[in-house]
Amino acid sequence: GQQLNQSPQSMFIQEGEDVSMNCTSSSIFNTWLWYKQDPGEGPVLLIALYKAGELTSNGRLTAQFGITRKDSFLNISASIPSDVGIYFCAGRGYGQNFVFGPGTRLSVLP
Amino acid sequence: GAGVSQSPSNKVTEKGKDVELRCDPISGHTALYWYRQSLGQGLEFLIYFQGNSAPDKSGLPSDRFSAERTGGSVSTLTIQRTQQEDSAVYLCASSLGSRAGQETQYFGPGTRLLVL
Repeated sequence: GQQLNQSPQSMFIQEGEDVSMNCTSSSIFNTWLWYKQDPGEGPVLLIALYKAGELTSNGRLTAQFGITRKDSFLNISASIPSDVGIYFCAGRGYGQNFVFGPGTRLSVLP
Repeated sequence: GAGVSQSPSNKVTEKGKDVELRCDPISGHTALYWYRQSLGQGLEFLIYFQGNSAPDKSGLPSDRFSAERTGGSVSTLTIQRTQQEDSAVYLCASSLGSRAGQETQYFGPGTRLLVL
Protein backbone atom coordinates (compact mmCIF):
# COMPACT_ATOMS: atom_id res chain seq x y z
CA GLY A 1 0.00 0.00 0.00
CA GLN A 2 0.87 3.64 -0.10
CA GLN A 3 3.36 4.85 2.48
CA LEU A 4 4.62 8.27 3.42
CA ASN A 5 7.94 9.06 5.00
CA GLN A 6 8.65 12.34 6.73
CA SER A 7 12.07 13.78 7.38
CA PRO A 8 13.37 14.65 9.83
CA GLN A 9 11.47 12.75 12.53
CA SER A 10 12.24 15.52 14.99
CA MET A 11 14.21 18.72 15.09
CA PHE A 12 15.39 21.22 17.65
CA ILE A 13 16.07 24.71 16.35
CA GLN A 14 16.81 28.15 17.71
CA GLU A 15 14.13 30.80 17.59
CA GLY A 16 14.53 32.83 14.42
CA GLU A 17 15.97 29.99 12.35
CA ASP A 18 14.37 28.71 9.18
CA VAL A 19 12.98 25.17 9.10
CA SER A 20 12.76 22.70 6.25
CA MET A 21 11.02 19.34 6.28
CA ASN A 22 9.89 17.00 3.58
CA CYS A 23 7.57 14.16 2.83
CA THR A 24 8.14 11.40 0.31
CA SER A 25 5.81 8.82 -1.13
CA SER A 26 6.25 5.44 -2.73
CA SER A 27 3.60 6.36 -5.30
CA ILE A 28 2.30 9.37 -7.20
CA PHE A 29 -0.09 11.71 -5.44
CA ASN A 30 -2.57 14.24 -6.83
CA THR A 31 -3.01 16.20 -3.62
CA TRP A 32 -0.70 17.09 -0.77
CA LEU A 33 -1.82 18.57 2.53
CA TRP A 34 0.25 19.87 5.41
CA TYR A 35 -1.14 19.95 8.95
CA LYS A 36 0.13 21.12 12.35
CA GLN A 37 -0.95 19.48 15.56
CA ASP A 38 -0.53 21.13 18.93
CA PRO A 39 -0.48 18.97 22.08
CA GLY A 40 -3.99 17.83 23.00
CA GLU A 41 -5.53 19.23 19.84
CA GLY A 42 -6.61 17.92 16.47
CA PRO A 43 -4.48 18.64 13.37
CA VAL A 44 -5.05 22.03 11.77
CA LEU A 45 -4.66 22.49 8.03
CA LEU A 46 -1.76 24.73 7.03
CA ILE A 47 -1.47 24.44 3.26
CA ALA A 48 -3.13 22.42 0.49
CA LEU A 49 -1.39 21.67 -2.82
CA TYR A 50 -3.16 20.37 -5.92
CA LYS A 51 -0.71 20.69 -8.81
CA ALA A 52 2.80 19.37 -9.47
CA GLY A 53 5.32 22.16 -9.05
CA GLU A 54 2.86 24.33 -7.14
CA LEU A 55 4.42 26.62 -4.54
CA THR A 56 2.02 28.04 -1.97
CA SER A 57 2.63 30.32 1.00
CA ASN A 58 0.68 30.94 4.18
CA GLY A 59 2.39 33.65 6.19
CA ARG A 60 5.84 32.38 7.17
CA LEU A 61 5.03 28.93 5.78
CA THR A 62 5.76 27.84 2.23
CA ALA A 63 5.00 24.44 0.79
CA GLN A 64 5.77 22.91 -2.57
CA PHE A 65 4.26 20.04 -4.52
CA GLY A 66 7.24 18.17 -5.94
CA ILE A 67 7.63 17.86 -9.70
CA THR A 68 7.83 14.07 -9.47
CA ARG A 69 4.49 14.11 -7.56
CA LYS A 70 6.12 11.78 -5.05
CA ASP A 71 7.27 14.42 -2.61
CA SER A 72 6.38 17.67 -0.92
CA PHE A 73 8.29 20.19 1.14
CA LEU A 74 7.37 22.56 3.93
CA ASN A 75 9.49 25.51 4.96
CA ILE A 76 8.99 27.77 7.95
CA SER A 77 10.89 31.04 7.99
CA ALA A 78 12.03 32.89 11.11
CA SER A 79 10.64 30.33 13.56
CA ILE A 80 8.91 31.47 16.74
CA PRO A 81 8.05 29.54 19.91
CA SER A 82 4.44 28.93 18.84
CA ASP A 83 5.71 26.95 15.83
CA VAL A 84 6.33 24.07 18.24
CA GLY A 85 4.23 21.04 17.41
CA ILE A 86 3.97 18.06 15.12
CA TYR A 87 3.78 18.66 11.39
CA PHE A 88 2.00 16.02 9.34
CA CYS A 89 1.93 15.65 5.61
CA ALA A 90 -0.92 13.84 3.90
CA GLY A 91 -1.21 12.74 0.31
CA ARG A 92 -3.79 11.23 -1.92
CA GLY A 93 -3.53 9.40 -5.19
CA TYR A 94 -6.32 9.21 -7.74
CA GLY A 95 -9.27 7.29 -6.30
CA GLN A 96 -7.42 6.64 -3.05
CA ASN A 97 -7.95 7.69 0.53
CA PHE A 98 -5.55 10.12 2.14
CA VAL A 99 -2.43 8.68 3.72
CA PHE A 100 -0.74 10.52 6.57
CA GLY A 101 2.96 10.62 7.33
CA PRO A 102 4.31 9.84 10.82
CA GLY A 103 4.99 13.51 11.54
CA THR A 104 7.95 15.79 12.17
CA ARG A 105 8.22 17.00 15.76
CA LEU A 106 9.49 20.55 15.94
CA SER A 107 10.93 22.10 19.08
CA VAL A 108 11.99 25.74 19.17
CA LEU A 109 14.59 26.81 21.69
CA PRO A 110 14.44 30.42 22.90
CA GLY B 1 -18.84 28.88 11.15
CA ALA B 2 -18.60 25.95 13.53
CA GLY B 3 -15.86 23.45 12.97
CA VAL B 4 -15.88 19.70 13.54
CA SER B 5 -16.89 18.83 17.07
CA GLN B 6 -16.37 15.59 18.94
CA SER B 7 -17.70 14.23 22.19
CA PRO B 8 -16.78 13.28 24.75
CA SER B 9 -13.41 14.99 24.83
CA ASN B 10 -12.12 12.37 27.25
CA LYS B 11 -13.38 8.90 28.08
CA VAL B 12 -12.08 6.46 30.66
CA THR B 13 -13.57 3.00 30.59
CA GLU B 14 -12.92 -0.46 31.94
CA LYS B 15 -11.67 -3.26 29.77
CA GLY B 16 -14.55 -5.17 28.24
CA LYS B 17 -17.02 -2.28 28.22
CA ASP B 18 -18.46 -0.75 25.06
CA VAL B 19 -17.87 2.92 24.18
CA GLU B 20 -19.50 5.30 21.71
CA LEU B 21 -17.69 8.31 20.30
CA ARG B 22 -19.58 11.06 18.50
CA CYS B 23 -18.57 13.36 15.66
CA ASP B 24 -20.48 16.37 14.33
CA PRO B 25 -18.97 17.36 10.98
CA ILE B 26 -18.96 20.80 9.45
CA SER B 27 -22.40 21.59 8.06
CA GLY B 28 -22.63 20.78 4.37
CA HIS B 29 -19.63 18.47 4.34
CA THR B 30 -20.52 15.20 2.66
CA ALA B 31 -17.36 13.27 3.55
CA LEU B 32 -16.49 12.13 7.07
CA TYR B 33 -13.42 10.27 8.28
CA TRP B 34 -12.38 8.55 11.50
CA TYR B 35 -8.73 8.14 12.46
CA ARG B 36 -6.90 6.73 15.46
CA GLN B 37 -3.74 8.27 16.85
CA SER B 38 -1.71 6.41 19.43
CA LEU B 39 0.58 8.36 21.74
CA GLY B 40 3.32 10.06 19.77
CA GLN B 41 2.29 8.38 16.53
CA GLY B 42 0.79 9.41 13.21
CA LEU B 43 -2.79 9.01 12.10
CA GLU B 44 -4.23 5.58 11.37
CA PHE B 45 -7.20 5.59 8.98
CA LEU B 46 -10.25 3.74 10.29
CA ILE B 47 -13.32 4.44 8.18
CA TYR B 48 -14.61 6.90 5.56
CA PHE B 49 -18.16 7.95 4.68
CA GLN B 50 -18.99 9.77 1.44
CA GLY B 51 -22.57 10.85 0.90
CA ASN B 52 -24.92 7.90 0.55
CA SER B 53 -22.23 5.53 -0.69
CA ALA B 54 -21.26 2.44 1.24
CA PRO B 55 -18.56 3.39 3.75
CA ASP B 56 -14.94 2.41 3.25
CA LYS B 57 -14.28 0.27 6.32
CA SER B 58 -10.89 -0.97 5.20
CA GLY B 59 -9.05 0.59 8.14
CA LEU B 60 -11.11 -0.86 10.98
CA PRO B 61 -8.69 -2.98 13.04
CA SER B 62 -11.19 -5.62 14.16
CA ASP B 63 -14.89 -6.47 14.15
CA ARG B 64 -15.17 -4.84 17.58
CA PHE B 65 -15.05 -1.50 15.75
CA SER B 66 -18.04 -0.14 13.85
CA ALA B 67 -19.32 3.24 12.77
CA GLU B 68 -22.54 4.75 11.56
CA ARG B 69 -23.44 8.02 9.96
CA THR B 70 -27.06 8.94 10.33
CA GLY B 71 -28.77 11.32 7.93
CA GLY B 72 -25.50 12.11 6.26
CA SER B 73 -24.38 14.21 9.20
CA VAL B 74 -23.51 13.01 12.70
CA SER B 75 -21.35 9.91 13.01
CA THR B 76 -20.85 7.49 15.89
CA LEU B 77 -17.84 5.24 16.27
CA THR B 78 -18.52 2.26 18.51
CA ILE B 79 -15.90 0.07 20.09
CA GLN B 80 -17.25 -3.10 21.67
CA ARG B 81 -15.52 -5.06 24.42
CA THR B 82 -12.74 -2.50 24.69
CA GLN B 83 -9.17 -3.66 25.16
CA GLN B 84 -6.25 -1.74 26.64
CA GLU B 85 -4.64 -1.44 23.21
CA ASP B 86 -7.69 0.56 22.09
CA SER B 87 -6.42 3.46 24.23
CA ALA B 88 -5.68 6.30 21.84
CA VAL B 89 -6.98 9.60 20.54
CA TYR B 90 -9.82 9.12 18.07
CA LEU B 91 -9.97 11.93 15.55
CA CYS B 92 -12.82 12.77 13.22
CA ALA B 93 -12.46 14.88 10.08
CA SER B 94 -14.86 16.11 7.43
CA SER B 95 -14.46 17.49 3.93
CA LEU B 96 -16.76 19.19 1.48
CA GLY B 97 -16.56 16.23 -0.86
CA SER B 98 -14.15 13.76 -2.34
CA ARG B 99 -13.25 15.48 -5.61
CA ALA B 100 -10.11 17.52 -6.15
CA GLY B 101 -10.49 20.89 -4.49
CA GLN B 102 -13.17 19.60 -2.11
CA GLU B 103 -11.17 16.93 -0.37
CA THR B 104 -9.30 19.00 2.20
CA GLN B 105 -10.02 17.48 5.59
CA TYR B 106 -10.81 19.54 8.67
CA PHE B 107 -10.26 17.83 12.01
CA GLY B 108 -12.08 17.88 15.30
CA PRO B 109 -10.25 18.08 18.63
CA GLY B 110 -10.41 14.33 19.18
CA THR B 111 -11.68 12.03 21.90
CA ARG B 112 -9.01 10.71 24.25
CA LEU B 113 -9.93 7.15 25.19
CA LEU B 114 -8.26 5.36 28.06
CA VAL B 115 -9.10 1.72 28.69
CA LEU B 116 -8.09 0.53 32.13
